[in-house]
Amino acid sequence: QVQLVQSGGEVKKPGASVKVSCKASGYTFNSYGISWVRQAPGQGLEWMGWVSANNGHTNLAQNFQGRVAMTTDTSTNTVYMELRGLRSDDTAVYYCARLRLRWNYGWTADSSDVWGQGAMVAVSS
Amino acid sequence: DIQMTQSPSTLSASVGDRVTITCRASQNINSWLAWYQHKPGKVPKLLIFKASSLENGVPSRFSGSGSGTEFTLTISSLQPDDFATYFCQQYDSHSPTFGQGTKVEIK
Repeated sequence: QVQLVQSGGEVKKPGASVKVSCKASGYTFNSYGISWVRQAPGQGLEWMGWVSANNGHTNLAQNFQGRVAMTTDTSTNTVYMELRGLRSDDTAVYYCARLRLRWNYGWTADSSDVWGQGAMVAVSS
Repeated sequence: DIQMTQSPSTLSASVGDRVTITCRASQNINSWLAWYQHKPGKVPKLLIFKASSLENGVPSRFSGSGSGTEFTLTISSLQPDDFATYFCQQYDSHSPTFGQGTKVEIK
């Protein structure tokens, strides 16, 4: 079955970086994108961006540009999200999700239909 | 960024009730809207895409409608498994955004 399995939770100090992995299985990896969404404690869902599994192209939310990198390893069907310069308000559960794509003068994000289990990242001194 | 505003923020209802949640976009998003259900400790679940298309496996008591800037999610007869938080998400722009969520509580 279609599955996304994320790496485990991490505790980081302010200023550090964290890299979360998301391993996909059960579908044709390069036919979809992978989106990243986070949820801080007591807050709603926040879109971080997405990466094309086909060519590695990324589209990042403005709030995260310059601080986040999303990469793919097609040999293992794994996507990585690295967030740098961690702050306390980056404490959140980070989800990856399989992203459907649609054509709009280029491939663009559609809905996210299968989600990883989430990875808790806590930032504390 | 396109702002998505959901109402109400919290909704108290009983099993069997008809429930409607509204989502308004700050600009025209055509029909590029999804609805997700999220329960504590669980992963978000896609319910509706393209404003009114029911995702495979989702019960038919869920329905979506609307286009442009105003959208609704309706649960025709609330079931015990439906108590959760519901989020809308626009994906018309290159930077998708979520509404703040509507928590459906037991009355």
